[in-house]
Amino acid sequence: AQKVTQAQTEISVVEKEDVTLDCVYETRDTTYYLFWYKQPPSGELVFLIRRNSFDEQNEISGRYSWNFQKSTSSFNFTITASQVVDSAVYFCALSEVYSGAGSYQLTFGKGTKLSVIP
Amino acid sequence: EAEVAQSPRYKITEKSQAVAFWCDPISGHATLYWYRQILGQGPELLVQFQDESVVDDSQLPKDRFSAERLKGVDSTLKIQPAELGDSAMYLCASSLAAGQGRTYEQYFGPGTRLTVT
Repeated sequence: AQKVTQAQTEISVVEKEDVTLDCVYETRDTTYYLFWYKQPPSGELVFLIRRNSFDEQNEISGRYSWNFQKSTSSFNFTITASQVVDSAVYFCALSEVYSGAGSYQLTFGKGTKLSVIP
Repeated sequence: EAEVAQSPRYKITEKSQAVAFWCDPISGHATLYWYRQILGQGPELLVQFQDESVVDDSQLPKDRFSAERLKGVDSTLKIQPAELGDSAMYLCASSLAAGQGRTYEQYFGPGTRLTVT
């Protein structure tokens, strides 16, 4: 069965510092998708990125960047020059791809709470 | 921008009462998911619909929970009777129809925060 581990429960950084959120996953499948979601205090989960298992290129979007390493089953998320608005809980999630019941479901990690201090 | 709608946003109910949550997915999204998120944890899937059909409800406590999506659009999740342990955030998400080796990002609604007293 698939599993997602986010070992960092809480992180606090001072504004403008860089921060990396770790994500390690387990899956038996060779085809799968990885996601990051942000959950601000309002509660709604906001989609940030989707990456498939065949694409190991790192991705950058503004201050956000993602490092996908299949060899270590990791999909880490870095925020550069953090801002107070980045304060939220961040979830890493995995979706396996197969036919039948339960296909494409998201398995979430327990989340990392990021606090950015002004 | 299209959004997933959920109501109510907050619900307080007494133990043994019935409670229902409603979700309206993004137009055109064939797949709808209900998740439960306990405080301090990640969301866990309760039920998944493809159009009006249940794809997976293996994690749904069927003795007290039920879900339906009669016309393949909006959906209702019901709990009867509610128990103290049901206090959680109930999240609805929708996505384009996954299949043929592809999956799509799920878009989440604001959730319903349930408190059972």
